[in-house]
Amino acid sequence: AQSVTQPDIHITVSEGASLELRCNYSYGATPYLFWYVQSPGQGLQLLLKYFSGDTLVQGIKGFEAEFKRSQSSFNLRKPSVHWSDAAEYFCAVRSGGSYIPTFGRGTSLIVHP
Amino acid sequence: EADIYQTPRYLVIGTGKKITLECSQTMGHDKMYWYQQDPGMELHLIHYSYGVNSTEKGDLSSESTVSRIRTEHFPLTLESARPSHTSQYLCASSGRGLAGEQYFGPGTRLTVT
Repeated sequence: AQSVTQPDIHITVSEGASLELRCNYSYGATPYLFWYVQSPGQGLQLLLKYFSGDTLVQGIKGFEAEFKRSQSSFNLRKPSVHWSDAAEYFCAVRSGGSYIPTFGRGTSLIVHP
Repeated sequence: EADIYQTPRYLVIGTGKKITLECSQTMGHDKMYWYQQDPGMELHLIHYSYGVNSTEKGDLSSESTVSRIRTEHFPLTLESARPSHTSQYLCASSGRGLAGEQYFGPGTRLTVT
């Protein structure tokens, strides 16, 4: 069975600083990987996805993520955080044989001015 | 731009009432999902559908029911609301794209008094 671990429940950064949110997954074959963002009281919005090809993927809002098979990781990065990036971030993985993704527990990003 | 709608956005209702949460999508997606999410917590899949007249229960036991009579519509019904049903309910859909990413509605915040 697939699983997703987001080791950081909360991350606090200063505006303008760089950001990296960690995501580790457990799945034997090449997974389909996703990062979503959720603002308070809203649904989830897809930031980026990976399923094949270049292991560094670009997403919306200046985010990128890198798939590292050897580390079973798919970490999300942004070079300079804006106050509007404060939100909950979810990593998700699904196998090729299922349409149901497994979500991590989420990381809450706090941005200080 | 993904188009998936949920109504109502907020609902306060008394114990024992029957309620239906509406979800519609205009993307022609064949797969639809219902998640339950408590504030700041992970997502729990409660129902999903792979197409018209197809519905399945998810990982989280739920006293709700769903129907899928039309591709674009996936309502969730609680026959008798209880305070334990107080939560946020998120509807999502996914299509036949390679990654099969999900698109989420804005959610319905349900409070049962």
